[in-house]
Order: sequence, then structure tokens, then C-alpha cells
Amino acid sequence: ELKVEQNPLFLSMQEGKNYTIYCNYSTTSDRLYWYRQDPGKSLESLFVLLSNGAVKQEGRLMASLDTKARLSTLHITAAVHDLSATYFCAVDIMNRDDKIIFGKGTRLHILP
Amino acid sequence: KAGVTQTPRYLIKTRGQQVTLSCSPISGHRSVSWYQQTPGQGLQFLFEYFSETQRNKGNFPGRFSGRQFSNSRSEMNVSTLELGDSALYLCASSSGPLEYNEQFFGPGTRLTVL
Repeated sequence: ELKVEQNPLFLSMQEGKNYTIYCNYSTTSDRLYWYRQDPGKSLESLFVLLSNGAVKQEGRLMASLDTKARLSTLHITAAVHDLSATYFCAVDIMNRDDKIIFGKGTRLHILP
Repeated sequence: KAGVTQTPRYLIKTRGQQVTLSCSPISGHRSVSWYQQTPGQGLQFLFEYFSETQRNKGNFPGRFSGRQFSNSRSEMNVSTLELGDSALYLCASSSGPLEYNEQFFGPGTRLTVL
């Protein structure tokens, strides 16, 4: 069974702290996406990771992909309240019609 | 540049009816993907269209169908609605196939089936 597991599912942290969200997946893939969703809103694409070792950074967020370990991380540096949201990873399953499998999301709450 | 638009934004239907949702991509974008979000199943991929051709379809029954027009606008149709079809339906557009290009999402259509 294909699985995409994010942990933690809920995270409450103080402003200024660093933390990492993990995304493990159970099948071969070398493409992974990260999205952000604010409450009651649509999705926003954050990162597209296209190969093993890919690392992308945008502001206080940095995402990486290790295809051998089947693991992606989303690292938050010096968190600020505006980063409070739910973050989803999604794995692109090659050669399968169902294509993209999402994790359950990590609800991040940053305390001012 | 206008963003992705979806119509209608909210919809209430009853079981057994059918519904058509519309998505207008960003100008120049040729790929449109559809997603379903529910509290129980989370986010699920429905299908992707590129240049009027369906490239992929998720694990959904045949009641879910879609199409893309020559101007890249896309519609999805759900026939014989069931209570479980109540969801937020999101569409996203990208300049090329979604596996290589950043996606831009519309605000979503919230469908309630009574």
C-alpha cells in the first residue's frame, strides 16, 4: 500500500525557534511537493523537489529530498507567527495514473 | 495577471443529482489539475489535463469526469452525487505538466451534498 506519512501532525512552537517537519513515503519516487494551506483557504505551492539531494529555500523555509531514504524534510528557521498554517507534502508516483499521493498534513501553530 | 478562478464558489446539491465545476487557468497555462479535499480522506488527486488531453486520473469512480477546452479552461463533472462527494474541490494550473512546473491554485469550490 502506498503511504505518505508526515510527522508531526500537530506542532505548536514558539516564535524564534527552529523545527523540522518530516515526510516519509513508501514507494520509489524522485519528485516531491510541499504545499501550504491557511485555514479556510486554498493551497499554495511552496516547493517542487525533482531529484535526489534537491534542496530549496524560500525565506525561513527550506525543503530537501533524500530519495534513497524516501524522506523529505521541511525545516523552519526562526519561526514567525505568519508561518502558522497546515503544511502538506505530496509524492509524485511515476508511471501510475493516480499520480500524486498526499500526506495528512502538519498543522503548525506558532505562538507569538 | 489574473489568477486561477473557479466557479461556482459554493454549491449545494442533493443525492443523485449531477454537478459541473469550472476552472479557468492563468493565461498561458496549459495544464489544469483537480483535487478533492475532505476531512476524512484528506487531499486526493483527481485528474490532470494538458493541452485538452487527460494525462492522469486518480482513484475515483467513473462518476467523476473532466475535460479541457482549447482555451485551457477545464470542467469537472460528478454524476449521481453521493453524500461522500461533499468536499472542497481545488483546481490548479501550471504552464506545463505538473511534475515539472509550479502549480497555482484557485480558491476552490465547496460542494455540499444533502
